[in-house]
Amino acid sequence: SYVLTQPASVSVAPGKTARITCGGYNLGSKTVHWYQQKSGQAPVLVIYYDSVRPSGIPERFSGSNSGNTATLTLSRVEAGDEADYYCQVWDSSSAHVVFGGGTKLTVL
Amino acid sequence: QLQLQESGPGLVKPSETLALTCTVSGGSISSSNDYWGWIRQPPGKGPEWIGTIYYTGTTYCNPSLKSRVAISVDTSNNKFSLRLNSVTAADTAVYFCARRLSAGTWFDPWGQGTLVTVSS
Repeated sequence: SYVLTQPASVSVAPGKTARITCGGYNLGSKTVHWYQQKSGQAPVLVIYYDSVRPSGIPERFSGSNSGNTATLTLSRVEAGDEADYYCQVWDSSSAHVVFGGGTKLTVL
Repeated sequence: QLQLQESGPGLVKPSETLALTCTVSGGSISSSNDYWGWIRQPPGKGPEWIGTIYYTGTTYCNPSLKSRVAISVDTSNNKFSLRLNSVTAADTAVYFCARRLSAGTWFDPWGQGTLVTVSS
């Protein structure tokens, strides 16, 4: 089955840029979605179709996908961005929704 | 604004059946634009997709759970349900329901989730 690999943790200082990666075989041929999950809450969609922000998501959130890696970029990071972030794809070959293992973003 | 709310027992005994319901408000479960999904998240781990259903009853399930899962839809009451049989401690998780647009493959919005513990 298809596997998405994320770093367990990323740390960033306030006001800096955080980049969270999601790796998978030929991931650039799939569309990647990203979710933010704060402690004790349900996941919230922050990026879909690789790079599209839903209504209400700040412009500081952006995404890209090419080759074997998709990247979620958070610019001008704020304390309120501290959360777990998950990538997700639809693997059409197995008709299966796949989530990455998640990355814990820590704001120093 | 579309909202989803999970309901069901918070404690299930091993070998028994977990049964949850998701109530949809602010929209129709019979919308041709939407699919409805169940996703679970074991404590400290990432989400795991369980399955997705369309209002016609067409379902897609995670192959690893397919033999134990049944998902159904009740269009009269704007609800859909999950049954997972022969549960073990490994099925302990927060269970979420969520909407998936038929035109896309992402889930939005999600319900708040409900913790189900499998224990005797």
